[in-house]
Amino acid sequence: SQQGEEDPQALSIQEGENATMNCSYKTSINNLQWYRQNSGRGLVHLILIRSNEREKHSGRLRVTLDTSKKSSSLLITASRAADTASYFCATAPFGNEKLTFGTGTRLTIIP
Amino acid sequence: DTAVSQTPKYLVTQMGNDKSIKCEQNLGHDTMYWYKQDSKKFLKIMFSYNNKELIINETVPNRFSPKSPDKAHLNLHINSLELGDSAVYFCASSQVTGVSSYEQYFGPGTRLTVT
Repeated sequence: SQQGEEDPQALSIQEGENATMNCSYKTSINNLQWYRQNSGRGLVHLILIRSNEREKHSGRLRVTLDTSKKSSSLLITASRAADTASYFCATAPFGNEKLTFGTGTRLTIIP
Repeated sequence: DTAVSQTPKYLVTQMGNDKSIKCEQNLGHDTMYWYKQDSKKFLKIMFSYNNKELIINETVPNRFSPKSPDKAHLNLHINSLELGDSAVYFCASSQVTGVSSYEQYFGPGTRLTVT
């Protein structure tokens, strides 16, 4: 069964606002990753957070991980039109090299 | 200087045909993958090769056969194409150490349409 579930499925916000997406997963993980997919393109890796980390930053991105709740969130601050894309979380279980992707959140930034 | 490239980008073919998709990475990575993304954007791994050796083989019809001539190339051959094979197929690569998955680099995708 699918490992990750993103919430919400779709999100529309005004440019300049912050966008928050959540990911829940089911089994213990080694790390969790977030990817972005622009329409008609391949996925681009954004950030990786390990199971012993609680928060990580990269530019306008902030990722949190709560292993007790088996959940993660991705915050994009000061959104831009170019942030319009689908965002996926992906989990890497312990002892397994296979990444399992979530269902994705479709983010639309309104100029 | 494309990191992961796929050909063709679009593939339209009839049911019953056999087709191949090619993938090449110039990142020096040891591991390559094939994923299938359906119309609902659900991305599912199909195969993974590490240094030309098959390490992940999901429940995929045996009409799908991956081939890795060297660690920079991973091709996907599909026999007897069916309507349900229509999807976008992504190749990816990563430098995997031990059992920890690292970031994966994706190709631009091949949109396969079976009519």
